[in-house]
Amino acid sequence: DVKVTQSSRYLVKRTGEKVFLECVQDMDHENMFWYRQDPGLGLRLIYFSYDVKMKEKGDIPEGYSVSREKKERFSLILESASTNQTSMYLCASSLLGAGSQPQHFGDGTRLSIL
Amino acid sequence: AQTVTQSQPEMSVQEAETVTLSCTYDTSESDYYLFWYKQPPSRQMILVIRQEAYKQQNATENRFSVNFQKAAKSFSLKISDSQLGDAAMYFCASNNAGNMLTFGGGTRLMVKP
Repeated sequence: DVKVTQSSRYLVKRTGEKVFLECVQDMDHENMFWYRQDPGLGLRLIYFSYDVKMKEKGDIPEGYSVSREKKERFSLILESASTNQTSMYLCASSLLGAGSQPQHFGDGTRLSIL
Repeated sequence: AQTVTQSQPEMSVQEAETVTLSCTYDTSESDYYLFWYKQPPSRQMILVIRQEAYKQQNATENRFSVNFQKAAKSFSLKISDSQLGDAAMYFCASNNAGNMLTFGGGTRLMVKP
């Protein structure tokens, strides 16, 4: 079974801090994704990566950056955390395919910015 | 751009009965895929069922089946013989050849014993 591991289930940070959310997958998937989940809005894509050092902006990239130095690891960075970034963050991975490949999700990180 | 709409924020069903969750989507792509994902409380999101748009036959997975109406851009999920473990948030999603998923807002399903 695919395992997608997010480093923290719960995280509390202060406004202005630089925040790192880490995600590791163990199935050699090419694609990795970061979403934020808010009630009533579903999941919205922040960034995705289809290869090491490659990244593409999703629907809501403002205020975020990402890093993919190794195939199995994809990091989401909040450069200067703000209260409106309080949310659930989900990481996912999938095989490279013509849109048909299902995504496998981590457990999520519930981030609170105070 | 793709959009996915789930018009039912909450649904409830009696155990052992059948429930249908609605989803509509809008896409300009000719080749796309549709998914239903389940997110149980405090647990990992998992794939329930997948439909290729070019296939006319509706996908089924045990108690889960879809009603795919391509012309109407509708993709509903039917859960038969509902069980307590089916209680979860359900998300409809569409995916084009670019591998990016677009999700609906979700439907919270409650199962009454």
